[in-house]
Formats: sequence, structure tokens, C-alpha cells
Amino acid sequence: EPEVTQTPSHQVTQMGQEVILRCVPISNHLYFYWYRQILGQKVEFLVSFYNNEISEKSEIFDDQFSVERPDGSNFTLKIRSTKLEDSAMYFCASSQGGVGRRQPQHFGDGTRLSIL
Amino acid sequence: KQEVTQIPAALSVPEGENLVLNCSFTDSAIYNLQWFRQDPGKGLTSLLLIQSSQREQTSGRLNASLDKSSGRSTLYIAASQPGDSATYLCVQRDDYKLSFGAGTTVTVRA
Repeated sequence: EPEVTQTPSHQVTQMGQEVILRCVPISNHLYFYWYRQILGQKVEFLVSFYNNEISEKSEIFDDQFSVERPDGSNFTLKIRSTKLEDSAMYFCASSQGGVGRRQPQHFGDGTRLSIL
Repeated sequence: KQEVTQIPAALSVPEGENLVLNCSFTDSAIYNLQWFRQDPGKGLTSLLLIQSSQREQTSGRLNASLDKSSGRSTLYIAASQPGDSATYLCVQRDDYKLSFGAGTTVTVRA
């Protein structure tokens, strides 16, 4: 069964440094998402992406965050200047359709980001 | 803003017992509701998806119901096994994004 893959599984970064989290969505999917889960808290929506632009973003997704689909297979989340509170598990997801088709979102195993 | 609440937060049962996990949401105008399983340090595995027009979905030992008018969903797991031990997340779809509950952590004792 096709999977969403995320790399790396664990990323350790110094505060203030830039970090890029990478995701390879399922190949025929059109909608892409990032979520995060701070340890012990709920999973939170960050951003959705379709047709090379952001469809929706949460209040968490401020100017230090950006997303990109640099080629036909990868979907990346960049955090420009990391803060201690960015430490979390980041999940990438993809779906075949968006709202109209109500297709389920498929999640990767996540990248654990630790900011020192 | 959609709020998704799950009760109880944790549950411990002996093997073979049936599990009942409850979820409530504040906004009945949902697109669909999904139940996920999360193992420690792992990703999210989709278990069942109920569209807003449906009342229940079944897969093997799992059955999920949806009552939009009361803002509730229930996940039933029949004849629980130690391998069912995990955190179960209720997730409501609102437009492009998903709103997650905090989860019910289930321990099935052998």
C-alpha cells in the first residue's frame, strides 16, 4: 500500500537555525498538509497546500514557516529561525481530493524536531 | 472554532472485553469524522472514516457511529486484544483541516 514518507525521523537543531522537514506524499495525491504535535498535547493543523499554493493555514503558521513543493514528489516545511517552542513531532499528510471529494488524509510517521 | 473532546482520557481493560470510546464535537456542520490509532512515537493510522451523510462504519472488530445532531461519535472495539493497546484519536474534518481530540489511551491487559 502506498505510504507517505518523511525524513529525517529525528532532527536536532540549535535555536535560531533554519530547518527543513521533508515529505514524499502518495504519488497520485493532490492535497498536502502539515500538522504538529507538541509532546503531551493534541495534534494541531498547520497548513494545507494545493495547486502550488497554500489553501488554508492556522494561526501557528506565522512568517517563520513556509512550505514548498520543489519538484513533482517532495513537499517541504521550512522553519526559518527555530525557537525552543518549535520542538514537536511534525506530521505530513496527503489526500487524493480535498473538501469536495472528502477523501481521507494519509499520514507519515512524523519527524521529531528537537530544538536545543 | 471546532472543539473535539474525548472521554475517557485513559482506559485499561482485560483482554476480551469490549471497548467503548467516546468523542464529542461542538460544530455539527462537519464534512466527516475519522478515527485514528497512534502508537507511541509513531505516526497516525486511519481506522475508520464516516462521511457526514453516514451514521456508522464497520471494519472487522471496529465499529464507529456518528450522530451529528448530538455532536457525538463512538468507536466500539469488540473482543479487545493486547495489540489494540494504543492511543485512539477522534478527528473531525472542517473544510481543509482536521481538528483532533486529545485521544483515549487504551491498555489491554493480557
